[in-house]
Amino acid sequence: NAGVMQNPRHLVRRRGQEARLRCSPMKGHSHVYWYRQLPEEGLKFMVYLQKENIIDESGMPKERFSAEFPKEGPSILRIQQVVRGDSAAYFCASSQQDNYGYTFGSGTRLTVV
Amino acid sequence: DAKTTQPTSMDCAEGRAANLPCNHSTISGNEYVYWYRQIHSQGPQYIIHGLKNNETNEMASLIITEDRKSSTLILPHATLRDTAVYYCIVFGKSTFGDGTTLTVKP
Repeated sequence: NAGVMQNPRHLVRRRGQEARLRCSPMKGHSHVYWYRQLPEEGLKFMVYLQKENIIDESGMPKERFSAEFPKEGPSILRIQQVVRGDSAAYFCASSQQDNYGYTFGSGTRLTVV
Repeated sequence: DAKTTQPTSMDCAEGRAANLPCNHSTISGNEYVYWYRQIHSQGPQYIIHGLKNNETNEMASLIITEDRKSSTLILPHATLRDTAVYYCIVFGKSTFGDGTTLTVKP
């Protein structure tokens, strides 16, 4: 039973490009959470999704950021027109149900040059 | 949305027990306390969780006070590889605090 899979592990983008981060939850998990960790800082909640629904996006920046979790396939965190301040580690976690423990992926490290 | 409060940092001698406290005074009756740790910049690793009773597994023990307003994670014999940031989280709105940076010293 594979864990939470995130890809790519490392992503380099030039300013103004788009970044797409993928997360495949553990088998049987229908809840996905995205977190961002800036250098030397803690984990900051971004968005919580269930299949085809955004449940809580209170931690998402209002512009340029979007997330989806389609019926089939991985969850996608999309950052448009990236800026240097978007450079961070982005972690995905999944769970079987809300209010229950997570399993985290290894993260995607985004570097904007 | 239960929040947690943890000390910013702690030191522990190698081989000794490390006791990491966490306050969660606004916890609700059905909310679990979870502990994770993050080594360097890896993905957070699950350690242990509990609701009311004390819990133990191969990694650690979790002591939860009777009123459930606080808990303590115990690493019984800390090793250098236990140096990490330890997060206490009460699920509800998926909020992590800044955690405790535990440094295990030789």
